[in-house]
Amino acid sequence: NAGVTQTPKFQVLKTGQSMTLQCAQDMNHNSMYWYRQDPGMGLRLIYYSASEGTTDKGEVPNGYNVSRLNKREFSLRLESAAPSQTSVYFCASSSTGQETQYFGPGTRLLVL
Amino acid sequence: GENVEQHPSTLSVQEGDSAVIKCTYSDSASNYFPWYKQELGKRPQLIIDIRSNVGEKKDQRIAVTLNKTAKHFSLHITETQPEDSAVYFCAARRGGGADGLTFGKGTHLIIQP
Repeated sequence: NAGVTQTPKFQVLKTGQSMTLQCAQDMNHNSMYWYRQDPGMGLRLIYYSASEGTTDKGEVPNGYNVSRLNKREFSLRLESAAPSQTSVYFCASSSTGQETQYFGPGTRLLVL
Repeated sequence: GENVEQHPSTLSVQEGDSAVIKCTYSDSASNYFPWYKQELGKRPQLIIDIRSNVGEKKDQRIAVTLNKTAKHFSLHITETQPEDSAVYFCAARRGGGADGLTFGKGTHLIIQP
């Protein structure tokens, strides 16, 4: 089992460009999450999906959209990147009834 | 919404000594409290968690205590070793659903040889 995987590992964007961060899990988990991590700020929830077909906003959703493509995949889209979105993005998943969240390796995004 | 405060932001201890990291939370409906360890450039990894129906949980050198009345919980690491050096995050979540975690800002634990 690969667990939670994320692509790409690293990306540089110019202000205004768009991109999609991909996340997939092979643990048959129902719930998936996107967090961002900034220095000194801990991790903050962007969006989450309790189950296939549903998505909800987290603490910092502005500037992002998500798609729960199927049970395995949950993508995060930046339509018009801004320097304030420079961060490390982590995807996580958990199983219904099991509260442990398992994290992917992260995507480092630099917006110039 | 939930707010989690974590202290201290940096903690330096001598190898072999104990380390204690403290967190407070604001939402009395929170009932799940995990602790994650993150090494430089790596993903957060769960080291221990506790649910609100339990006051203390121990796993070898690591223990977590929870005081629901005061809304605070703590991580205790005994007999610290160099490999314990990392950033530790506490978090809180309401149970029963699939809500995400609310994290503290982290504690950088430094183990001095």
